[in-house]
Amino acid sequence: ETGVTQSPTHLIKTRGQQVTLRCSSQSGHNTVSWYQQALGQGPQFIFQYYREEENGRGNFPPRFSGLQFPNYSSELNVNALELDDSALYLCASSLYGEETQYFGPGTRLLVL
Amino acid sequence: SQQGEEDPQALSIQEGENATMNCSYKTSINNLQWYRQNSGRGLVHLILIRSNEREKHSGRLRVTLDTSKKSSSLLITASRAADTASYFCAEDTSYGKLTFGQGTILTVHP
Repeated sequence: ETGVTQSPTHLIKTRGQQVTLRCSSQSGHNTVSWYQQALGQGPQFIFQYYREEENGRGNFPPRFSGLQFPNYSSELNVNALELDDSALYLCASSLYGEETQYFGPGTRLLVL
Repeated sequence: SQQGEEDPQALSIQEGENATMNCSYKTSINNLQWYRQNSGRGLVHLILIRSNEREKHSGRLRVTLDTSKKSSSLLITASRAADTASYFCAEDTSYGKLTFGQGTILTVHP
């Protein structure tokens, strides 16, 4: 167990809806990164948050947005859901500047 | 995306045998990391090798890095059924922003 928790574990939405996924980082970690993993693929970097600011973004459209809170927990919001958004969403926490990331168990999102 | 390639895509071996997985990447790296994933759950960090290192060991794991060929390999010695999982390499080109390969599915038969 890494100490990183995510909620919910599973979620079913329909096209066009909005979703919020949550992540609590490991104690002492101040950086949270989000990844999307489609079935049979490796995870793809969505963005990273540090000190409540976005600190780098992958190749994802603006309808993917995030927040980081003063306690370092984080949210991933996806608007106008598309079928291709169906995936496992992983968050990872770390201490800024350190190389190892600690992943949560993920939220599996199904868009119908 | 700029995902690297992993080879083989799937590997099936018997307990006690060694498993070797290869990873090629595309950019200059700070470090390269290997992760394990059981049945679509969260990723577990296995080992990190920095760009100025050529080989690293951790228990039954051995990782090599060849920056001239932009490739790395992960060797698991004396494999066990519990090693059955997907294994991913990840390039770290900007600290904390990982680019993962597509993974190797390892099956170890008892």
